Amino acid sequence: DAGVIQSPRHEVTEMGQEVTLRCKPISGHDYLFWYRQTMMRGLELLIYFNNNVPIDDSGMPEDRFSAKMPNASFSTLKIQPSEPRDSAVYFCASSLVGTGLYEQYFGPGTRLTVT
Amino acid sequence: LAKTTQPISMDSYEGQEVNITCSHNNIATNDYITWYQQFPSQGPRFIIQGYKTKVTNEVASLFIPADRKSSTLSLPRVSLSDTAVYYCLVGAFYGGATNKLIFGTGTLLAVQP
Repeated sequence: DAGVIQSPRHEVTEMGQEVTLRCKPISGHDYLFWYRQTMMRGLELLIYFNNNVPIDDSGMPEDRFSAKMPNASFSTLKIQPSEPRDSAVYFCASSLVGTGLYEQYFGPGTRLTVT
Repeated sequence: LAKTTQPISMDSYEGQEVNITCSHNNIATNDYITWYQQFPSQGPRFIIQGYKTKVTNEVASLFIPADRKSSTLSLPRVSLSDTAVYYCLVGAFYGGATNKLIFGTGTLLAVQP
């Protein structure tokens, strides 16, 4: 299996622009997670899905952030409008029922820079 | 929600055994203990998970005392490539709306030649 796939790997955008990050989980996995990592705040869980349904989005910082999972093989994290403080590495992870919520497989991340 | 406490950093030398301890005094009955490893510019990687006593895999061992208020990740004979941040997580196996996944600050292990 190719593992969790994220695109783009790097994104540089200007403040106020819309940013869309994409994730393809490992085939057959039924949990999908979005995280954000910065030096100041560490690794933060933003939202996670189970069988394409959002379970906990309390980590989403504000209404500018939204996430969708239209099917089992694709998810997006959108920021609109983007701000410089959104600059971070965004990770997507997936896991499989039977191995539990905590055995997650992470993608390579998307490094977002908002100028 | 079980909070974890681990050392900020540790130093070691190649070939030594490294033990990283994590405190989780308010761990719940249904909580599991999980450890992750993260290299710079990469996503975290699952290392090991356990509920009680001892768990061993090809990478590490996890020791959990009977009261489960702490756990120790043991890395046998570390090499330079084991230099990374190690995270301890505690939570229910299948999570739920009230069980957020919190990575904490982790322990930066620096292995010297």
